[in-house]
Amino acid sequence: DTEVTQTPKHLVMGMTNKKSLKCEQHMGHRAMYWYKQKAKKPPELMFVYSYEKLSINESVPSRFSPECPNSSLLNLHLHALQPEDSALYLCASSQDGQGDTTDTQYFGPGTRLTVL
Amino acid sequence: AQSVTQLDSQVPVFEEAPVELRCNYSSSVSVYLFWYVQYPNQGLQLLLKYLSGSTLVESINGFEAEFNKSQTSFHLRKPSVHISDTAEYFCAVSEKGYSTLTFGKGTMLLVSP
Repeated sequence: DTEVTQTPKHLVMGMTNKKSLKCEQHMGHRAMYWYKQKAKKPPELMFVYSYEKLSINESVPSRFSPECPNSSLLNLHLHALQPEDSALYLCASSQDGQGDTTDTQYFGPGTRLTVL
Repeated sequence: AQSVTQLDSQVPVFEEAPVELRCNYSSSVSVYLFWYVQYPNQGLQLLLKYLSGSTLVESINGFEAEFNKSQTSFHLRKPSVHISDTAEYFCAVSEKGYSTLTFGKGTMLLVSP
């Protein structure tokens, strides 16, 4: 089973709202990732968690706040977003984030976020 | 740092025709190579990957890719495409010891009847 699930599928929020995106995997993976994808563009890495610790933060604005409560769950808390933050937000997981032959990333279906 | 080039932003092709989607990479160290497919309004699905061993890798739906180290390429091929293959295809590379992926800009495969 290589399934990564994400909720909600769609989210519309105003610039003053606070919302959260959720990601879950049950493959026993210890690395999880958040990506942002604009239309007609490749995914851009935002954050990486390895063994529940934040290992990479790609200079993402503080209005995006990741959280990894346990090895199966990854959240992205959103606050005071801008319209240009509208995008598809993808979650991925891999074996352990160590970059060996077992460390293939598997992606979820994404959350389509619209900021009004 | 590594980089990935997908020169073709769009490849139109008729159903049952062969197709090749090109991918070239640059890296100073050993790499792993991936092709991901993204159908409209969906996430990325792993299509195939090269990690080590045989340079020709195949997917379950008829795609194949060949790792060519001398040409630093990992082109994706299918001998006969279907309408359902219409999607965006991303080539990606990671360096051994690092989990982060570097993606190409993507190639939109448009299959028409």
